[in-house]
Amino acid sequence: AQSVTQPDIHITVSEGASLELRCNYSYGATPYLFWYVQSPGQGLQLLLKYFSGDTLVQGIKGFEAEFKRSQSSFNLRKPSVHWSDAAEYFCAVVAGGFKTIFGAGTRLFVKA
Amino acid sequence: GAVVSQHPSRVICKSGTSVKIECRSLDFQATTMFWYRQFPKQSLMLMATSNEGSKATYEQGVEKDKFLINHASLTLSTLTVTSAHPEDSSFYICSAREGGNEQFFGPGTRLTVL
Repeated sequence: AQSVTQPDIHITVSEGASLELRCNYSYGATPYLFWYVQSPGQGLQLLLKYFSGDTLVQGIKGFEAEFKRSQSSFNLRKPSVHWSDAAEYFCAVVAGGFKTIFGAGTRLFVKA
Repeated sequence: GAVVSQHPSRVICKSGTSVKIECRSLDFQATTMFWYRQFPKQSLMLMATSNEGSKATYEQGVEKDKFLINHASLTLSTLTVTSAHPEDSSFYICSAREGGNEQFFGPGTRLTVL
């Protein structure tokens, strides 16, 4: 069965430091992968997506993610975190029937 | 870009009443719409998939008689929570798919049942 694992429930990073949020997926076919960000009480905002081609994907707000098929991973990175990046981050895979399966999410805290 | 709206954004109702939530694709025709439920500090769980003009497909464990879904047109899907109870209080999010692999998400509806 398809699944998405985000091993870190929460992460705390100092403002200006680099960030990496981990995501591993389980899916038999070529995955369509997404990262979303959600602020409290808000809907989802798409950060970036991977369908095919270049495995390093650039997104909005300075985020990027790298697809590594051998590791079944799609980790999200940002070189310098801003206080406004504090939010919940969800990794997701589109499975059969175009259903989106979400990871449990990682809460990012940014300290001054 | 593709925009999906939800109405209302927040609703408070009494236990035993029914609540309808609308999901609209504003600038595209949605071949498929999805309804998700999100409990506090948890991830989104797919409740059902609906295609215009046909019955919704519910995920295991979701009561189809309690969560009525109608996808009457290519731009509108509705979720009705019937005989709502406090445990139905949650954040409900819809998404719409135009035809590709990407879904566009609505801003969500916060339901509180007293």
